[in-house]
Amino acid sequence: NFMLTQPHSVSESPGKTVTISCTRSSGSIASNYVQWYQQRPGSSPTTVIYEDNQRPSGVPDRFSGSIDSSSNSASLTISGLKTEDEADYYCQSYDSSSVVFGGGTKLTVL
Amino acid sequence: EVQLVESGGGLVQPGRSLRLSCAASGFTFDDYAMHWVRQAPGKGLEWVSGISWNSGSIGYADSVKGRFTISRDNAKNSLYLQMNSLRAEDTALYYCAKDVRDYYGSGSSPFFDYWGQGTLVTVSS
Repeated sequence: NFMLTQPHSVSESPGKTVTISCTRSSGSIASNYVQWYQQRPGSSPTTVIYEDNQRPSGVPDRFSGSIDSSSNSASLTISGLKTEDEADYYCQSYDSSSVVFGGGTKLTVL
Repeated sequence: EVQLVESGGGLVQPGRSLRLSCAASGFTFDDYAMHWVRQAPGKGLEWVSGISWNSGSIGYADSVKGRFTISRDNAKNSLYLQMNSLRAEDTALYYCAKDVRDYYGSGSSPFFDYWGQGTLVTVSS
């Protein structure tokens, strides 16, 4: 199995843009779709990006996803940061035998 | 409205067993694969197990393989997780999660569009 590595934490000011990375340890990042989940304190996760760069209905277009084969990583970018975006974010992918989550990134909007 | 309601968690001694249930409503249960995902206190998400719509394909994380068994009863719109030989490191909030696809297995690329609120399992003497 591969691992997905995320920064432990990131912080940025309201109105700014932040990017959270998710690096795949082995195998190509492009070989399986990457999803991103948001988890606010005390709540269950919700999907903010699926299939690398698709937004579920109801998720604002301030959220975007991409993959970069050169760095073998996926990225979640949140623009126009709002205090309500403060949460933990997890990337997720899959290989032939199991679902893999990244370790999570705590986003602080201060 | 999709609802996933987990139950069956609690305090259990190491080595004992526990069975979790997830009652699903608001969607056609037997059209979708289902999963269990857990989160230890203050930690990240860990996938535990998945099952395809017809129970034909099942998978487990290495950490629970041989100890946990996932199953479903489509007639009862319910998902289960039988947990045996529990360890302290199994202590976590266990979420039931709905897949967007019917099939779980090789080539399926699963992900989750609905999650329950979780049921807490504490393994301690």
